[in-house]
Amino acid sequence: TQLLEQSPQFLSIQEGENLTVYCNSSSVFSSLQWYRQEPGEGPVLLVTVVTGGEVKKLKRLTFQFGDARKDSSLHITAAQPGDTGLYLCAGPINNAGNMLTFGGGTRLMVKP
Amino acid sequence: DAMVIQNPRYQVTQFGKPVTLSCSQTLNHNVMYWYQQKSSQAPKLLFHYYDKDFNNEADTPDNFQSRRPNTSFCFLDIRSPGLGDAAMYLCATSDKPGLAGVRLSDNEQFFGPGTRLTVL
Repeated sequence: TQLLEQSPQFLSIQEGENLTVYCNSSSVFSSLQWYRQEPGEGPVLLVTVVTGGEVKKLKRLTFQFGDARKDSSLHITAAQPGDTGLYLCAGPINNAGNMLTFGGGTRLMVKP
Repeated sequence: DAMVIQNPRYQVTQFGKPVTLSCSQTLNHNVMYWYQQKSSQAPKLLFHYYDKDFNNEADTPDNFQSRRPNTSFCFLDIRSPGLGDAAMYLCATSDKPGLAGVRLSDNEQFFGPGTRLTVL
């Protein structure tokens, strides 16, 4: 079974601080996705990383896929209250098709 | 805007009283999914449809059933809700079929806002 472990589980920071959250597995994934879920809403896709070592940037968010494609990180620069939410990483089950397995998530709170 | 719609957003039911949650999509996607998400946990896949082909996850309780009468609609029926079934239920869709070898980069899952189920 491919498992994704996310850390930390909870993170509370002040506006303007930087942070990094991690998604780790003992299994190789063909690709990984990051979703953000705001309270009371469904997850929304932020990015998909597909190549080992790949770095993608989305405004203040930087996503990296590990060289061995077993891990990924999300770095947020100068966090804002609007970044508050649950950050989920997800990968294809058995590296096949549409079925996703999700990590446990990192719940981020950014205080003004 | 094309989207995934879930109704109702909040549902309260009594222990053992059947309940149906609905999902509709205007994206014309082949695949529809139902997830259960308990507080502070990751979404857990219950089942999915590729067109009308139903696929049940091995550990989905028999208490949960699903119907997909057409491309646009999918329903989740909980026959006898227990207290442990209180959760957020998420519907999602995706475009391409879940075939081995299809890269996930080609497939994004689009989630609805969820239905929060309370069991009294």
